[in-house]
Amino acid sequence: QSVLTQPPSVSAAPGQKVTISCSGSSSNIGNNYVSWYQQLPGTAPKLLIYDNNKRPSGIPDRFSGSKSGTSATLGITGLQTGDEADYYCGTWDSSLSFVVFGGGTKLTVL
Amino acid sequence: EVQLVESGGGLVQPGGSLRLSCAASGFTFSSYWMSWVRQAPGKGLEWVANIKQDGSEKYYVDSVKGRFTISRDNAKNSLYLQMNSLRAEDTAVYYCARGLHSSSLHNFLYWGQGTLVTVSS
Repeated sequence: QSVLTQPPSVSAAPGQKVTISCSGSSSNIGNNYVSWYQQLPGTAPKLLIYDNNKRPSGIPDRFSGSKSGTSATLGITGLQTGDEADYYCGTWDSSLSFVVFGGGTKLTVL
Repeated sequence: EVQLVESGGGLVQPGGSLRLSCAASGFTFSSYWMSWVRQAPGKGLEWVANIKQDGSEKYYVDSVKGRFTISRDNAKNSLYLQMNSLRAEDTAVYYCARGLHSSSLHNFLYWGQGTLVTVSS
């Protein structure tokens, strides 16, 4: 059971938009920055979003992040088949004193 | 170019020990928090431990406290994870990871390729 809660799967058609939610509590998302990762099969995770809504260099603006209270959301527009991957949210938990991840969401581009 | 290269994984019996290493290059290793993150087969990411730049602060996920020890050698640009009393549930790919900024406890921008640890009799 992960500290952060994500839906197990989401799907959408190519070109469409999808959102992935990440729910936590005041000790993690509520008081700390959230990051998002994309993991393609057989590869290491890739940082997509940091500090809730910032993109590292090289990440297209099709990817966006937001946070409200104890929940965060990853948005992906203009879906491509290459976006099929597992997506994870992560943050620091101030009560546990360690990094926590969501259980991951598998994105299928139909 | 930032590179993180893990080594030391393998097959070990329950109750056994293993030491993982991560060789870092392409950045000033001594300036960054460093972490270990693992992923069991077919499962999600689980952060394991991290260590401050000078080694003065270390944090662990509850499930490994008292069994795993994270350490670093800044002179050798290397990160380590000493794993004792290994259990079947420790079976995973172990990644070495570095944050975006020197103060980043997460925001893992750089990852190694991972090293597989299998705990089985």
